[in-house]
Amino acid sequence: EVQLVESGGGLVQPGGSLRLSCVASGFTFRSYEMNWVRQAPGKGLEWVSYISSSGSLIYYADSVKGRFTISRDNAKSSLYLQMNSLGAEDTAVYYCGAGSGNDYWGQGTLVTVSS
Amino acid sequence: SYELTQPSSVSVSPGQTARITCSGDILAKKYGRWFQQKPGQAPVVVIYRDSERPSGIPERFSGSSSRTTVTLTISGAQVEDEADYYCFSAADNNRVFGGGTRLTVL
Repeated sequence: EVQLVESGGGLVQPGGSLRLSCVASGFTFRSYEMNWVRQAPGKGLEWVSYISSSGSLIYYADSVKGRFTISRDNAKSSLYLQMNSLGAEDTAVYYCGAGSGNDYWGQGTLVTVSS
Repeated sequence: SYELTQPSSVSVSPGQTARITCSGDILAKKYGRWFQQKPGQAPVVVIYRDSERPSGIPERFSGSSSRTTVTLTISGAQVEDEADYYCFSAADNNRVFGGGTRLTVL
């Protein structure tokens, strides 16, 4: 059974940092492209970042470029998102998605940026 | 960057056909896919490569494409199909979701 489990969310003050993790199981993680997608409360889905299966190709949405860093550890079947300089606009549920088109999703982790 | 445009809401009665459109220049050269999201749940793919249906998705879900528009059709919509639907596409260094369509079946 395919499983993606995100963690690392929580309450953080504006300007702060968080590191999200996503642990995968039930499929060959190293063969899959991965994405982070977020959803602000009551809003739609927003693509955040992409990383190729090897980690050699990385893309970011303009809204997070320069502040967020995506990475992966294929030996640990894990995906990460380092988030710096967080603002209220970054408050959202963050999902990891497996596959170029997000074939599989985790249940998400909530990030709340507030003082 | 690319944009995908969907209607904000669609409403049908049970058993009727629901159609949700998604338009954007990216769709002229790349496939579109559709996600269904119910409250409190993660999205689920219901259509990929414009018209392919994953295993486990009911046959009443179908997709089509024409130039810069993809369409999700739910033939004989059921109450359990009530959800938010998002189109998605990817090209080069861009990945983009449509704004989402709230489907009401009542």
